[in-house]
Amino acid sequence: AQKVTQAQTEISVVEKEDVTLDCVYETRDTTYYLFWYKQPPSGELVFLIRRNSFDEQNEISGRYSWNFQKSTSSFNFTITASQVVDSAVYFCALGGPNAGNNRKLIWGLGTSLAVNP
Amino acid sequence: EPEVTQTPSHQVTQMGQEVILRCVPISNHLYFYWYRQILGQKVEFLVSFYNNEISEKSEIFDDQFSVERPDGSNFTLKIRSTKLEDSAMYFCASSEAGFVTGELFFGEGSRLTVL
Repeated sequence: AQKVTQAQTEISVVEKEDVTLDCVYETRDTTYYLFWYKQPPSGELVFLIRRNSFDEQNEISGRYSWNFQKSTSSFNFTITASQVVDSAVYFCALGGPNAGNNRKLIWGLGTSLAVNP
Repeated sequence: EPEVTQTPSHQVTQMGQEVILRCVPISNHLYFYWYRQILGQKVEFLVSFYNNEISEKSEIFDDQFSVERPDGSNFTLKIRSTKLEDSAMYFCASSEAGFVTGELFFGEGSRLTVL
């Protein structure tokens, strides 16, 4: 069975602190895809990153970075020098291989990040 | 930048009433999805749609739910007889070629409140 665990329900930091959001996944598929989405208070879902299971390179995009480790089934997300605008709920999601019609995403419960001034 | 649009942004309805949530996916996208998020909980997959038929549906998507692409641009989710537990944010998403080669683009959501 596929599962995504985001153990941190809520995190509160002060602006400019670095913060890491954890994501641990379970899957039996050898090909799979991992995602991070941001949900700001306005409610929409904003795509941040997609990573496939064959690409373990870490990715950096501005203040955002992602650490994918297959050995520990983790796909952690770090925000460097956090800002108040980063306050949101962050979801990690897992997608199976694009075989047949399986295109649904399995979502974690989300981590609510509050960045205080 | 192209976007997925959803209407209404918020609908309040009485239990037992029919509700139709509308979505306009990005024009060259081929795959369409509905997800829902009960307040404070995780996002849950409802259904995927491709080539004018349902590709996959979850156990949540029972006979009370249906989807349709009536005119080549809109993608609708109908709930035939709403229940209190249908209160949630419903997200429409589309992708160009399945998320393997294309990301899922989500709309801003339609909040459904069933009284």
